[in-house]
Amino acid sequence: DTAVSQTPKYLVTQMGNDKSIKCEQNLGHDTMYWYKQDSKKFLKIMFSYNNKELIINETVPNRFSPKSPDKAHLNLHINSLELGDSAVYFCASSSSGAYLWEQFFGPGTRLTVL
Amino acid sequence: AQSVTQLGSHVSVSEGALVLLRCNYSSSVPPYLFWYVQYPNQGLQLLLKYTSAATLVKGINGFEAEFKKSETSFHLTKPSAHMSDAAEYFCAVSGGTSYGKLTFGQGTILTVHP
Repeated sequence: DTAVSQTPKYLVTQMGNDKSIKCEQNLGHDTMYWYKQDSKKFLKIMFSYNNKELIINETVPNRFSPKSPDKAHLNLHINSLELGDSAVYFCASSSSGAYLWEQFFGPGTRLTVL
Repeated sequence: AQSVTQLGSHVSVSEGALVLLRCNYSSSVPPYLFWYVQYPNQGLQLLLKYTSAATLVKGINGFEAEFKKSETSFHLTKPSAHMSDAAEYFCAVSGGTSYGKLTFGQGTILTVHP
């Protein structure tokens, strides 16, 4: 009965590779987010989708491409991975009809680029 | 633009002592304020949120926070620390037409000594 799930939990890969992280929520929410937590634990938003439409697109290298096939899923594809991409990536979801757009977070995906 | 500053990257208390984690925010619109907790190798869990209905907000696990507009602060407190409170705590702000985008502080690691 996991609310927001991410796969994989850990991802270790070489520089230059392409990888994807998947996120799914079963809360019935219509808005999903990707956040990046760097090695200093600083959390920063990357993208957000509302009803499959991109609504937040922060300054992120275009090697990162989010895709939302439906309201319950938001995937993150990363091309040509670099050392600096090593971080923990968190997915979150919320309802645009809910007061404060309260967000529920997934467990995170720890990406290590060697 | 919104920002959050958490004073003190590390706070250490004895079990049973008062916990005080400081958060100051900057926002050009009425803010929505949140405190999240992150246990080691886990995702973020919402502790409490400021809804503008009351300046003193009670959350889970005995935590509470007071919104002070004049001081642009939203400090988190707990009267008596427990060993299980050891974690990293994040203050966050959203508001206006930001589609729920959360801007996080740098985080404060709370250590509880027996």
